[in-house]
Amino acid sequence: NAGVTQTPKFRILKIGQSMTLQCAQDMNHNYMYWYRQDPGMGLKLIYYSVGAGITDKGEVPNGYNVSRSTTEDFPLRLELAAPSQTSVYFCASSRYSTGGPSGELFFGEGSRLTVL
Amino acid sequence: QKEVEQNSGPLSVPEGAIASLNCTYSDQGSQSFFWYRQYSGKSPELIMFIYSNGDKEDGRFTAQLNKASQYVSLLIRDSQPSDSATYLCAVNIDTGRRALTFGSGTRLQVQP
Repeated sequence: NAGVTQTPKFRILKIGQSMTLQCAQDMNHNYMYWYRQDPGMGLKLIYYSVGAGITDKGEVPNGYNVSRSTTEDFPLRLELAAPSQTSVYFCASSRYSTGGPSGELFFGEGSRLTVL
Repeated sequence: QKEVEQNSGPLSVPEGAIASLNCTYSDQGSQSFFWYRQYSGKSPELIMFIYSNGDKEDGRFTAQLNKASQYVSLLIRDSQPSDSATYLCAVNIDTGRRALTFGSGTRLQVQP
């Protein structure tokens, strides 16, 4: 059981380039999330999805886009990369809403992005 | 005021001691509270969750919740060097988003 798989694990981008971080889960979870974590900081929510075809903005959505065409996949698109987007990106999924019981998040291993 | 606040530490305790980690939150209506452990360079992993006021014990870990005072804590008994990590408090703050809000984490160092 792979859980949550993120690719790539590491990437260096030049300012202005674009890229997509891939995230896939094989647990049939409805809820999926993208967080970013800056050094020494907690996790900040970028976007989330409560099911295929439904996405919504989180706390820090500017400069990012997402789509959820299937239950399994939740890619994060970075447009016109900026140094402020240098961070570690975590994709996570949960079977139920985090506001209720058993709202445990399962995290991928993270994608470390550097924008130079 | 931050929605979920934690002391960044580091909190240094000797091996075998009790480590006490604290977290306060802003939303009185929050219902679910989670503690995640994150080793350096790794992803967070769930160690405890609590929904009701009082204590919840799981092995060496005890989560304590006081909704009236809006704080949640994590006690680690008989601390081991392998407990050295950053501990993230996460709460379902009512922001209109169905997602957890994380604190900035407390770094724990257990000295052998």
